[in-house]
Amino acid sequence: GQQLNQSPQSMFIQEGEDVSMNCTSSSIFNTWLWYKQDPGEGPVLLIALYKAGELTSNGRLTAQFGTTRKDSFLNISASIPSDVGIYFCAGQLMDSSYQLIWGAGTKLIIKP
Amino acid sequence: SAVISQKPSRDICQRGTSLTIQCQVDSQVTMMFWYRQQPGQSLTLIATANQGSEATYESGFVIDKFPISRPNLTFSTLTVSNMSPEDSSIYLCSAILNTEAFFGQGTRLTVV
Repeated sequence: GQQLNQSPQSMFIQEGEDVSMNCTSSSIFNTWLWYKQDPGEGPVLLIALYKAGELTSNGRLTAQFGTTRKDSFLNISASIPSDVGIYFCAGQLMDSSYQLIWGAGTKLIIKP
Repeated sequence: SAVISQKPSRDICQRGTSLTIQCQVDSQVTMMFWYRQQPGQSLTLIATANQGSEATYESGFVIDKFPISRPNLTFSTLTVSNMSPEDSSIYLCSAILNTEAFFGQGTRLTVV
């Protein structure tokens, strides 16, 4: 099925560093969503973006909805050990189905 | 946000048997979905669970293998029928509330 282009696939960073990941698509989306998934758990919604150009923060997390409605990025500032996990972007189609198209995920690993 | 309770959280099943996974939402929701996810990978949509009518299945998934019930606006079940080792995966329930998608904690299924 259709999938978003999410990069990087994985990141090894030092605690305290800033993190940036992004998603791109050839399709236009109504909404962009960013999720974090811990092992053995379902994805947890971090940030939802509804308007082109929108910049939204949630604590140390900041995400932006691209002006073309085809891309989004997520930044994490001053990373801490509990930020470890897999981050997924998802685009919501511009119809009434509410179906999500998913990125492949970015695995964040913090070096001790 | 919506709280989604999914059970069982994990099971080990014999090939040829069937397992029914339950999903309970703490709010009435219009849209519910079932996903499959291999560990560390992205989510694949199995079907949309429609209240009062047959589920809508994605390409590669059929009702005989994955029958779905949706008796009301807060509850759905997914059955994995006649299981084989290839069905070993994580199965996730999702519900849309105020245009945002929320997830259960997942069911980790191992078929032996």
